[in-house]
Amino acid sequence: QVQLQESGPGLVKPSETLSLTCSVSGGSISTYYWTWIRQPPGKGLEWIGYIDDNGSTNYNPSLKSRVTISSDTSKNQFSLKLRSVTAADTAVYYCARGYSGNDVIRHSSYYFMDVWGEGTTVTVSS
Amino acid sequence: QSVLTQPPSVSAAPGQKVTISCSGSSSNIENNYVSWYQQLPGTAPKLLIYDNHNRPSEVPDRISGSKSGTSATLDITGLQTGDEADYYCGTWDTSLSAGVFGGGTKLTVL
Repeated sequence: QVQLQESGPGLVKPSETLSLTCSVSGGSISTYYWTWIRQPPGKGLEWIGYIDDNGSTNYNPSLKSRVTISSDTSKNQFSLKLRSVTAADTAVYYCARGYSGNDVIRHSSYYFMDVWGEGTTVTVSS
Repeated sequence: QSVLTQPPSVSAAPGQKVTISCSGSSSNIENNYVSWYQQLPGTAPKLLIYDNHNRPSEVPDRISGSKSGTSATLDITGLQTGDEADYYCGTWDTSLSAGVFGGGTKLTVL
């Protein structure tokens, strides 16, 4: 079955760029919506954004100016870059496989994540 | 402040039923499908419900979801101590063009 694994530095200095990679095994990233979510210590989940099977991206409006999500199909990986980080960006970062689409009959959209990585803790501190 | 509103905590005795609510608006819950996630302590979230009421094959049928208007609910019957976890609702917000989550509900099995 599909498995996801996050990797990257656990410590990032303020004002620098946080860079994480999600490696996908057991399936291709050529389909689905590959998503990043984060969870600050003791708080709830925050959606960061996704990259879809066409390479199109969609980001949380509150993070849009600082975020880039990209993919490398040759390595079956997708990545997150978050620029100009502050202590508020300290969190557990999860990658996940997402399903998204439109129910044209009911004029509704669906979007959910069915497989998650175990998460990686990133601390922003000097 | 989360776009979707959940109660911070709920509790019930083993064997009983608990309901977790998730309130939103016309730009999210009312016109899009809702999913629910369980996060056991120290672990990643796990999908419990998608498309309002569908369960992945590994999720037991004592867990169910429903939606009415701008609210959704997650019901868990026959509570077990292993159900103690944080539960999150999620959906797509059409106005924001973004995924959104509730603030999470901590379930305690007394």
